[in-house]
Amino acid sequence: GAGVSQSPSNKVTEKGKDVELRCDPISGHTALYWYRQSLGQGLEFLIYFQGNSAPDKSGLPSDRFSAERTGGSVSTLTIQRTQQEDSAVYLCASSLGTKNTEAFFGQGTRLTVV
Amino acid sequence: KNQVEQSPQSLIILEGKNCTLQCNYTVSPFSNLRWYKQDTGRGPVSLTIMTFSENTKSNGRYTATLDADTKQSSLHITASQLSDSASYICVVSAGSSNTGKLIFGQGTTLQVKP
Repeated sequence: GAGVSQSPSNKVTEKGKDVELRCDPISGHTALYWYRQSLGQGLEFLIYFQGNSAPDKSGLPSDRFSAERTGGSVSTLTIQRTQQEDSAVYLCASSLGTKNTEAFFGQGTRLTVV
Repeated sequence: KNQVEQSPQSLIILEGKNCTLQCNYTVSPFSNLRWYKQDTGRGPVSLTIMTFSENTKSNGRYTATLDADTKQSSLHITASQLSDSASYICVVSAGSSNTGKLIFGQGTTLQVKP
């Protein structure tokens, strides 16, 4: 596609429910990143994929968070048993995967846990 | 610990004036440094990307500098416009692997007033 696409753009969920966030990277981009941005805060790294594997999952805040990527393309970030502190904008970015190439960001999914 | 620190946290300037934003990092090994602009409610958009050997790079009215010895970078905005009002984020790519992990600063919020 023309850019990184994320869905849904907004999600309101009840505390305790599971949510799935989707990221469609730019076609051909092998590297994919997930970040979280809480209100008024900087971006917090969650996980990144090189192809279908995740060399670095160190940013996932708890075992309620998981992510997968299939076919080297679409990725889903799943949050189980959501808590109010999970409310944030979840941003996805992709890059060609070579060292000094740009990372392009999607518009993000705004998650609100009530 | 790999960190990226930005200053000032926020800045207000009058339209037409110049300003300089600072970024200090303690990231090793260093791969590259990027400046992003993030408008409210949107994903970050890349302004510049600099590798170890580059000292300065311009993109229109934006000029970024890099001193890899002192681990400092600056973003200079010339003849500011109202549309420059945004958050400016310094991002350092860490690691010697193919993609590296992007480490984000907290950002500087710039407000340009008429």
